[in-house]
Amino acid sequence: QKEVEQDPGPLSVPEGAIVSLNCTYSNSAFQYFMWYRQYSRKGPELLMYTYSSGNKEDGRFTAQVDKSSKYISLFIRDSQPSDSATYLCAMIRNDYKLSFGAGTTVTVRA
Amino acid sequence: GAVVSQHPSWVICKSGTSVKIECRSLDFQATTMFWYRQFPKQSLMLMATSNEGSKATYEQGVEKDKFLINHASLTLSTLTVTSAHPEDSSFYICSAPGAHEQYFGPGTRLTVT
Repeated sequence: QKEVEQDPGPLSVPEGAIVSLNCTYSNSAFQYFMWYRQYSRKGPELLMYTYSSGNKEDGRFTAQVDKSSKYISLFIRDSQPSDSATYLCAMIRNDYKLSFGAGTTVTVRA
Repeated sequence: GAVVSQHPSWVICKSGTSVKIECRSLDFQATTMFWYRQFPKQSLMLMATSNEGSKATYEQGVEKDKFLINHASLTLSTLTVTSAHPEDSSFYICSAPGAHEQYFGPGTRLTVT
């Protein structure tokens, strides 16, 4: 069993729709939870990070963490074609090593 | 935010040759850097942890004699792919840890012909 599970998609939505992404994990040692966005042939860029259960908002992005269920989510409101990318969840232990989900490819149709 | 650079961004080499990839932290010091490999349509897989002034630690299944890592200074780590083969063709990405996140380089695409 992988430490981090993420549905690779692909996911296609019309412009303006809400994009919903999620990951589950099995290791209780994970302390911080991140969402990265990766465009084709580029390095990942950090979108959001959280360290406690609950919601965190940043503009059109909302990250949710439920540690009791070992489940994290990312919501993108009012999606734009420029949001088309691969979104990777990642989790970090206290040794700074990241474990990534498989990444979900999202396409927002104009 | 912190910036990590990689050089080269793209390299083609012949089978059997060696290729060096540099990872630099531009505005901060990094005693630890990480090297990842990403195959098309797959996630990032951690290859090794680069430690300034000491030997790198490799993840299970990664050949340390094939992927040589040198962390000679607090701002530079290098990954050398020795005796490259076509199956080594991949996207190699380095990162350096911040307080709560990793700062990623832009990646190096290696194609071995």
